Amino acid sequence: EAAVTQSPRNKVTVTGGNVTLSCRQTNSHNYMYWYRQDTGHGLRLIHYSYGAGNLQIGDVPDGYKATRTTQEDFFLLLELASPSQTSLYFCASSAQDTQYFGPGTRLLVL
Amino acid sequence: QQQVRQSPQSLTVWEGETAILNCSYEDSTFNYFPWYQQFPGEGPALLISIRSVSDKKEDGRFTIFFNKREKKLSLHITDSQPGDSATYFCAATYQGGRALIFGTGTTVSVSP
Repeated sequence: EAAVTQSPRNKVTVTGGNVTLSCRQTNSHNYMYWYRQDTGHGLRLIHYSYGAGNLQIGDVPDGYKATRTTQEDFFLLLELASPSQTSLYFCASSAQDTQYFGPGTRLLVL
Repeated sequence: QQQVRQSPQSLTVWEGETAILNCSYEDSTFNYFPWYQQFPGEGPALLISIRSVSDKKEDGRFTIFFNKREKKLSLHITDSQPGDSATYFCAATYQGGRALIFGTGTTVSVSP
């Protein structure tokens, strides 16, 4: 049974649109992360959190908000989506060093 | 500025050969280096990792060689199998840190 799930798996929106990506983990991990994956850039950290109500800024945070509502749930918000945010988004969780990734959400901004 | 660099971008080897993937980093405070393996359509998964107090870590056919002085490491995949065809990411962080910095990845293709 998958311990990190993401929804939706695919999303198409228009420029200026409002998008929320959801992530849930059942690992009982304190840490959760949002990454984007782009060819030539690998995985880049957007935001992360070490518990409900906590938010830490990652390496590429511009244009993204995030909220950790519970230990299990971490959301990524794009309030004014732009074509540059077309990407593959991964959520991950960790207790110590090992991060466990979800299956990803592919987002297309037209 | 890419703090973790990987080369080559892609690599093709024959079944049974050894694939060598290279990684280098900038920050001398980094002391934990995991390698993640990613198959198409899936999220990355931890393959093997090493801490800077060691210079070698082996797990089956996968071996990390670490050179702290040169800030370089490499992943060797011996007796490569078609099932090893995937993208491999080198990552780094420092003790107490949880956020990983990933390289750009090396895509390995193993031909039977």
